[in-house]
Amino acid sequence: KQEVTQIPAALSVPEGENLVLNCSFTDSAIYNLQWFRQDPGKGLTSLLLIQSSQREQTSGRLNASLDKSSGRSTLYIAASQPGDSATYLCAVNFYNQGGKLIFGQGTELSVKP
Amino acid sequence: DGGITQSPKYLFRKEGQNVTLSCEQNLNHDAMYWYRQDPGQGLRLIYYSQIVNDFQKGDIAEGYSVSREKKESFPLTVTSAQKNPTAFYLCASGRDRMNTEAFFGQGTRLTVV
Repeated sequence: KQEVTQIPAALSVPEGENLVLNCSFTDSAIYNLQWFRQDPGKGLTSLLLIQSSQREQTSGRLNASLDKSSGRSTLYIAASQPGDSATYLCAVNFYNQGGKLIFGQGTELSVKP
Repeated sequence: DGGITQSPKYLFRKEGQNVTLSCEQNLNHDAMYWYRQDPGQGLRLIYYSQIVNDFQKGDIAEGYSVSREKKESFPLTVTSAQKNPTAFYLCASGRDRMNTEAFFGQGTRLTVV
């Protein structure tokens, strides 16, 4: 069974700190991996999409990396701000899942002023 | 603005009733998806559709039904057979099933009263 795991489940950091969120997946045969942000009671906002042929993607203070061989992706957030507080979800599009995204459980991030 | 619109934002259902959640997209995407989100369980796929007039069951399809008569619309009906329907429902779309970014609506919170 193909699975996606995110560690830690929750993270609390002081404002200004650089931080890394982790995502691991069980099969390297993927089309892409996507990172999302979810605020309480809201839908998911797409942050970064990494295709299987790419090693990383950057958007502002966010940088996502992909290592298919080890089944790992990381989301790096530079100079964290209280507005970054949210749940961050990783989703993987595996080859044999017909386009279904498989989600991790998410990391709940709290950035303290 | 281009995007995905879910309605209503909040929905209350009495025991034994069927209710229909609306999902409309103006992104010209072929693929559309319905997910259910429960606390501590992450996102689980209910149904998905890769093209008009075709759809497939996801991991938790029992008690739900869908239709895809138009490219831009993918309504979800929660039937009385769904024993525990109280949850947050999220609709998503993507250009196709392989290499494209998924976009989500703002969700519908369904509560059984």
